[in-house]
Formats: sequence, C-alpha cells, structure tokens
Amino acid sequence: GNSVTQMEGPVTLSEEAFLTINCTYTATGYPSLFWYVQYPGEGLQLLLKATKADDKGSNKGFEATYRKETTSFHLEKGSVQVSDSAVYFCALTKNQAGTALIFGKGTTLSVSS
Amino acid sequence: GAVVSQHPSWVICKSGTSVKIECRSLDFQATTMFWYRQFPKQSLMLMATSNEGSKATYEQGVEKDKFLINHASLTLSTLTVTSAHPEDSSFYICSPNGQGVLDSSYNEQFFGPGTRLTVL
Repeated sequence: GNSVTQMEGPVTLSEEAFLTINCTYTATGYPSLFWYVQYPGEGLQLLLKATKADDKGSNKGFEATYRKETTSFHLEKGSVQVSDSAVYFCALTKNQAGTALIFGKGTTLSVSS
Repeated sequence: GAVVSQHPSWVICKSGTSVKIECRSLDFQATTMFWYRQFPKQSLMLMATSNEGSKATYEQGVEKDKFLINHASLTLSTLTVTSAHPEDSSFYICSPNGQGVLDSSYNEQFFGPGTRLTVL
C-alpha cells in the first residue's frame, strides 16, 4: 500500500533561517500529497497540497513541489518565524478513490528568536 | 475552512469503562468519516472509515467490537471505546469528508481538534 517517509526531527532553527523538511512517498497510481501542521494544543490544519505531478503547493511562505520522478514532496520556507514552531506532517491519499490519508511520523520544528 | 468539533476534548476513565467520543461537522454534510488515533509523538493512524447510514470499515488490526463507530447522520459520528484499558490511551481524531452546504464543489478533508483519552 501507499506509504510516506518523513525526515525525523526535531529541527531547531533560528528565526529567518531556511527550512527544508524532506518527505518521500511510495504509491500506486497518482495520489494527492499534503502537508499538515499541528500547533501546540490544536488540531491538524492543512498547510498546502498538490494533486498531480509538478504541481507546487504554497501557503504562508511554505512551498512544496510534487516530484514524481523522485517521489518526493519536500517542504521549504525561505525565512522561518518563531510562530512557525509546530509539528509538520507529510501525507498522501491512501488510494486513488478514497480520501483517507496516510501520514508520516511528523517533524517537530522549533524556531528561536 | 469547515468547522469540526469533538466532545469531550479530554477524558480520564477507569479501566473497564466505556467512553463515547462525538464528532460534529457544523457547516457541511459529512458523507464519510475517518477516525484516526495518534500516540504520543507518533503519527496519525487510520482506524476506520464510515459512510453515513452504513457500517464502518476497519483497518487491519483494529478491533471492531472494541471501537464502535456510529455514523447515523451527516453531521454526527460517534466513536465508543468499549471496556477501555490503559493501552487504549491515545489521542483520537475524527476527519469528516463531504460537501459544503453552500458550495457543492468544495471537497476537502478537515480534522477535529481531537480527544485525549487516558485510561487509568
């Protein structure tokens, strides 16, 4: 079945540093890919998504490109802020027909000022 | 985005008791409901999928008689953990999927805020 591998954290950065969180996937067919963020004490929120190869999802300065050739969907941000401190989850659809998601293990990001 | 609520947000119970968790989609019709669980510092794992008015489909390794799911309406689904034990302590998250009441083209998956269950 479909699966996703996400770099393990924690990731600790200073404010305004560049962020990359790696995510690779294994899938049959053409899944949709997602990044979700979970702030302390809150539920999951969709950060960005891409539904087909070469699509770039972007939101709040974060970007990720659906790379079919490398089966990757790495999350990047050029300049992180303290408020970006959270847990980030890479996810993909379980199968083509359904919308259940398979999640990576999550990466904790801590940004200090 | 859609508004999804879960109740209770946290619960502590004694071993052997049953706990019911409610999930409500407040502004759209949830034709499908996914239930996940998340252990501390781990990922979300899909437990089961239910469609409104029909029986839930459980993932491998999830006991259907232990985790009872009811999805009787388009706005409410419940997960009952029967005869809970300490190993059931976890964070349970619902995720409704459906169509927006005002915008039928809207089809995105949202997540409830979660319910933390602690079984003593």
